[in-house]
Amino acid sequence: KQEVTQIPAALSVPEGENLVLNCSFTDSAIYNLQWFRQDPGKGLTSLLLIQSSQREQTSGRLNASLDKSSGRSTLYIAASQPGDSATYLCAVNTGKLIFGQGTTLQVKP
Amino acid sequence: GAVVSQHPSWVICKSGTSVKIECRSLDFQATTMFWYRQFPKQSLMLMATSNEGSKATYEQGVEKDKFLINHASLTLSTLTVTSAHPEDSSFYICSAWGQPNQETQYFGPGTRLLVL
Repeated sequence: KQEVTQIPAALSVPEGENLVLNCSFTDSAIYNLQWFRQDPGKGLTSLLLIQSSQREQTSGRLNASLDKSSGRSTLYIAASQPGDSATYLCAVNTGKLIFGQGTTLQVKP
Repeated sequence: GAVVSQHPSWVICKSGTSVKIECRSLDFQATTMFWYRQFPKQSLMLMATSNEGSKATYEQGVEKDKFLINHASLTLSTLTVTSAHPEDSSFYICSAWGQPNQETQYFGPGTRLLVL
């Protein structure tokens, strides 16, 4: 059974810091992995999607990596801003999306 | 493009009543729609997958007679919570998958249900 774990559960950093969010999954048989952002009481916004054959994807200040063999992905956020405060969810696609519990990020001005 | 809407955005109802939530793909045809439930401070859990014109596939532990799903067209799916009880109070999110980009699901803004 595929399980997705995200560490840490919560993170608070001062503005401007670079940070890394971690995601691990137990079964490497995935089609792709996706990182989402969720603001309180809102739906999900897709940030980055990495195909199983890819190693990383970049969008602006965000960079996501994927090591399928070890079952790990990281989301790197450069020069964090208060507007980055949200919950970040990773999900693996096994034919359906299986989500981690999320990392709640607070960036303090 | 690829916008998914949900209606209503929030609903309060009395225990024992039924509540219908709509999920629409506004600018693309959704061959498949998904319904998720999210309890406070928890992640999204897939409830069911529905393909247009066919019966929904429910995840283990989800009562299909309680959570009725209809996907009658390529742009609309509905979730009806029948005889709602307080433990059904949750955040319900739908997503849609279809043309032109079949790599990712597009998520709706969610519906918050509170059953008194």
